[in-house]
Amino acid sequence: DQQVKQNSPSLSVQEGRISILNCDYTNSMFDYFLWYKKYPAEGPTFLISISSIKDKNEDGRFTVFLNKSAKHLSLHIVPSQPGDSAVYFCAASGIYNAGNMLTFGGGTRLMVKP
Amino acid sequence: SQTIHQWPATLVQPVGSPLSLECTVEGTSNPNLYWYRQAAGRGLQLLFYSVGIGQISSEVPQNLSASRPQDRQFILSSKKLLLSDSGFYLCAWSVRGDTSYEQYFGPGTRLTVT
Repeated sequence: DQQVKQNSPSLSVQEGRISILNCDYTNSMFDYFLWYKKYPAEGPTFLISISSIKDKNEDGRFTVFLNKSAKHLSLHIVPSQPGDSAVYFCAASGIYNAGNMLTFGGGTRLMVKP
Repeated sequence: SQTIHQWPATLVQPVGSPLSLECTVEGTSNPNLYWYRQAAGRGLQLLFYSVGIGQISSEVPQNLSASRPQDRQFILSSKKLLLSDSGFYLCAWSVRGDTSYEQYFGPGTRLTVT
């Protein structure tokens, strides 16, 4: 049972436009959400996060939106740049779990075309 | 600053051979430690996590095992590799009790079982 899902395996966007990556979750106990970026043959790097007490968090070109009623979050990248081309993973966690474990989605490959 | 090391970077092993992957963290104490696997085209699957020396929790039953002989050392092992063990293995750490839930990943090990 996938508790965190990224239904779009890939996304292609023109440079300068907005990239929107989506993520859905099923576990209502999740209360903290993170986005990671991963280049091939490298470990993921943390991008941005949001707590369930907020509905928006912004950091430069990156904004994460959380809709708790729909159990949905999205990552907006504006403007998109070729260097943003990577696989993006959303992850979720909750205070119920020991060890600060994260549950990851399957990832979305973003391709930003020059 | 904290750093995380993994070795080897790449490994090609025959079916039935043993495996030992090592991960060490520098610049922090009492971290939570994690082993993940990313199979080709798939998301991140949590294999093991540890909240202290000698404390290992397994998330997925399989022919792999993990050990934490020292506070900042995490080892992934197998007595006999299967073809299905091929993948990209990632070690990660987090600050114990950190409510941000951020995990920091190492560079990964590409394992090919032939």
